[in-house]
Amino acid sequence: ETGVTQSPTHLIKTRGQQVTLRCSSQSGHNTVSWYQQALGQGPQFIFQYYREEENGRGNFPPRFSGLQFPNYSSELNVNALELDDSALYLCASRQGTSGRPYNEQFFGPGTRLTVL
Amino acid sequence: AQRVTQPEKLLSVFKGAPVELKCNYSYSGSPELFWYVQYSRQRLQLLLRHISRESIKGFTADLNKGETSFHLKKPFAQEEDSAMYYCALWGSGYSTLTFGKGTMLLVSP
Repeated sequence: ETGVTQSPTHLIKTRGQQVTLRCSSQSGHNTVSWYQQALGQGPQFIFQYYREEENGRGNFPPRFSGLQFPNYSSELNVNALELDDSALYLCASRQGTSGRPYNEQFFGPGTRLTVL
Repeated sequence: AQRVTQPEKLLSVFKGAPVELKCNYSYSGSPELFWYVQYSRQRLQLLLRHISRESIKGFTADLNKGETSFHLKKPFAQEEDSAMYYCALWGSGYSTLTFGKGTMLLVSP
């Protein structure tokens, strides 16, 4: 059984550019959540995908978008990058539905995005 | 809205001393509370959840609904406990976790 993987590990972009981050969920998991972790902060929920559909979203603008594929891997896309988008982006997968019960989320190592 | 507050950014103790990492939450329903830990150069991982009522690595946490708290405790800290600790809440109306800002625990020899 493989864990959650993310790519790339690090990324440097300039303001206004677009970026795509990738996540492979743990085997058997159908739900993927994305989090943004700014320096000195806890992870902040961006959105969640369950069976290829977004079924939960945090307080992030529409320029943050995502996809989930039939194999349950996922992408996070950010358009028109801003300096404040610099952060560690975490992906987490779990087996479950949108509601209860809570099944443990397993986190990936993250992608460190720097926007200059 | 649900919110998790961890008032201490850093908690520094000596080996063998008791440890209490504070967590308070705001939620109108019946939440599920968790503690996550991140050791140096490792990924975020679940330490314990309140419904399990278990002790993991000597840590325990009791949900106090009256005080809306879920403090993490360990009677005798070890150097290997040094890590970043996050309190998190799962609410019935939400499909994901709300995290606190985290507390760095440093255990000195």
